Amino acid sequence: EAGVAQSPRYKIIEKRQSVAFWCNPISGHATLYWYQQILGQGPKLLIQFQNNGVVDDSQLPKDRFSAERLKGVDSTLKIQPAKLEDSAVYLCASSLAQGLSGANVLTFGAGSRLTVL
Amino acid sequence: DQQVKQNSPSLSVQEGRISILNCDYTNSMFDYFLWYKKYPAEGPTFLISISSIKDKNEDGRFTVFLNKSAKHLSLHIVPSQPGDSAVYFCAVNNAGNMLTFGGGTRLMVKP
Repeated sequence: EAGVAQSPRYKIIEKRQSVAFWCNPISGHATLYWYQQILGQGPKLLIQFQNNGVVDDSQLPKDRFSAERLKGVDSTLKIQPAKLEDSAVYLCASSLAQGLSGANVLTFGAGSRLTVL
Repeated sequence: DQQVKQNSPSLSVQEGRISILNCDYTNSMFDYFLWYKKYPAEGPTFLISISSIKDKNEDGRFTVFLNKSAKHLSLHIVPSQPGDSAVYFCAVNNAGNMLTFGGGTRLMVKP
């Protein structure tokens, strides 16, 4: 089974520039998540999709961050304009549909490391 | 408001000994509790989980204990191996199927 694919793995930009990250989840996984992990902290949820609809984006800074999941498969996360504090690893994860019994086990990609100078 | 806390940022253990990683949570309504392991430059990988209706779950060298009255869970690794050196995150799974993570504990297993 192929894992969660993310690109680019690394990106360095200057503040006020824009950046986009791409994620391809595991085939058949209806739920897709974007997490932000700042160095030394745990992952923090930014947005959760169920198919192509948003389930939760309460922690997404909507003045500069946007995300979409067209056709319910791939997803992109965009930051415009970037700030210094956006330097972090952006992790994409996917899981089977909500509502199933048992723990909701997320499978993560390797992440996209962003450095804002 | 931190719902999940891992109060030890790091832990060092000798190979062959037991590693105990701890996690505290605030909301008694969480359904499932999970542990993830993360190596540098990789995404977190799922390790083990426990339902809120159980107090112990074991998988090989890994055992998770849940103390609901204390709102505390722990991960025991016995025996610890150098390959276990990683950052360990506990996470809670609520009714919305989101995962909320703790800050992580870096485990170092010395040969």
